[in-house]
Amino acid sequence: DSGVTQTPKHLITATGQRVTLRCSPRSGDLSVYWYQQSLDQGLQFLIQYYNGEERAKGNILERFSAQQFPDLHSELNLSSLELGDSALYFCASSVDGGPYEQYFGPGTRLTVT
Amino acid sequence: DQQVKQNSPSLSVQEGRISILNCDYTNSMFDYFLWYKKYPAEGPTFLISISSIKDKNEDGRFTVFLNKSAKHLSLHIVPSQPGDSAVYFCAGEAGGTSYGKLTFGQGTILTVHP
Repeated sequence: DSGVTQTPKHLITATGQRVTLRCSPRSGDLSVYWYQQSLDQGLQFLIQYYNGEERAKGNILERFSAQQFPDLHSELNLSSLELGDSALYFCASSVDGGPYEQYFGPGTRLTVT
Repeated sequence: DQQVKQNSPSLSVQEGRISILNCDYTNSMFDYFLWYKKYPAEGPTFLISISSIKDKNEDGRFTVFLNKSAKHLSLHIVPSQPGDSAVYFCAGEAGGTSYGKLTFGQGTILTVHP
């Protein structure tokens, strides 16, 4: 158990819909990261937040957004969902922005039908 | 452009023998490398890391070697155990404002046979 929690575990929704994925980092960690793992793309960095502020952006679509709240939990919002958004979404956390090991949650499996 | 490549999709090893997983990278800005292990239906688990100022880091049965001139790193597991069977990912991290942005390889499936 990494100490990072993610909800929900599974999500099935239809194209065009909007979903919110939630992540609680390990106690004491200030940085939260979001990754997407799809079959053809592997693990891709999406976005990083540090103590409530966006710090780095990767290949995140404009339809996706995230935020980190004062209690340090984070939410990833995915809108206008397409079939290709079906993937595993992982949240990770670390003490600081790096270079420190990131500890991953169990992931949320999103299926868009 | 795949900046981190794990060219072997799978590796099969006998219990007790050495497992060697390889990783190549192209981004010369990477200055920190990490290995993660992933079981099905779980998130990646951190294994071991190495800074670019070192060429070797050891932690128990796991040793990571870094050859900067060849842009190559490898993970050695000795002795291999059936519980090591998992997908192994290497990742690179560039410095400065790119810290935290891990770039992963595609993974290598390790199977350790009893």
